[in-house]
Amino acid sequence: DAEITQSPRHKITETGRQVTLACHQTWNHNNMFWYRQDLGHGLRLIHYSYGVQDTNKGEVSDGYSVSRSNTEDLPLTLESAASSQTSVYFCASSGQGTGELFFGEGSRLTVL
Amino acid sequence: AQSVTQLGSHVSVSEGALVLLRCNYSSSVPPYLFWYVQYPNQGLQLLLKYTSAATLVKGINGFEAEFKKSETSFHLTKPSAHMSDAAEYFCAVTRNAGGTSYGKLTFGQGTILTVHP
Repeated sequence: DAEITQSPRHKITETGRQVTLACHQTWNHNNMFWYRQDLGHGLRLIHYSYGVQDTNKGEVSDGYSVSRSNTEDLPLTLESAASSQTSVYFCASSGQGTGELFFGEGSRLTVL
Repeated sequence: AQSVTQLGSHVSVSEGALVLLRCNYSSSVPPYLFWYVQYPNQGLQLLLKYTSAATLVKGINGFEAEFKKSETSFHLTKPSAHMSDAAEYFCAVTRNAGGTSYGKLTFGQGTILTVHP
């Protein structure tokens, strides 16, 4: 079965460190997204991509970057982690059509 | 721009009672609308979606939602709550771009549903 996997599922890091969260999907979807989930805010879009070499900023993109070198992967990088980036991060993908998103299980990041 | 408002961050019902979770949206173009459910420590799972066909949409686990353009609402209902329905529920909207969408969803803040025995 097709799926979307995130790693690591849990990570603790220190302020100022660079962190990369991996996302890999086997749906062969062109569209991939990174959201963060925080209490009281629901899910907020960080970055998204509509295909290889395409990346776009979402509503909370400051301090984050992504790159898309192939269809399957969209890694999310925190260049210099801050305590405000402690959150649960979800990767999702969708094909063309009605825009239904398929989600990974999430990566819980704690920045101390 | 699009936005979603979910009325009530917490809803509590008794087992067997009606479940009603409220969602209002704002969109300048025809929308696609979604309800997702999240169980603890898991990702989001699609419950149902409105894609401009029937206004009453049936989903998994006995849930349904009705699209009301005049009220800009897409409330989620289930006639009889079960203990296994306890979870967090998210309403989401994206634009209908000529019959297709690219999956860039805007989510509401979520509603936590508690079911009492």
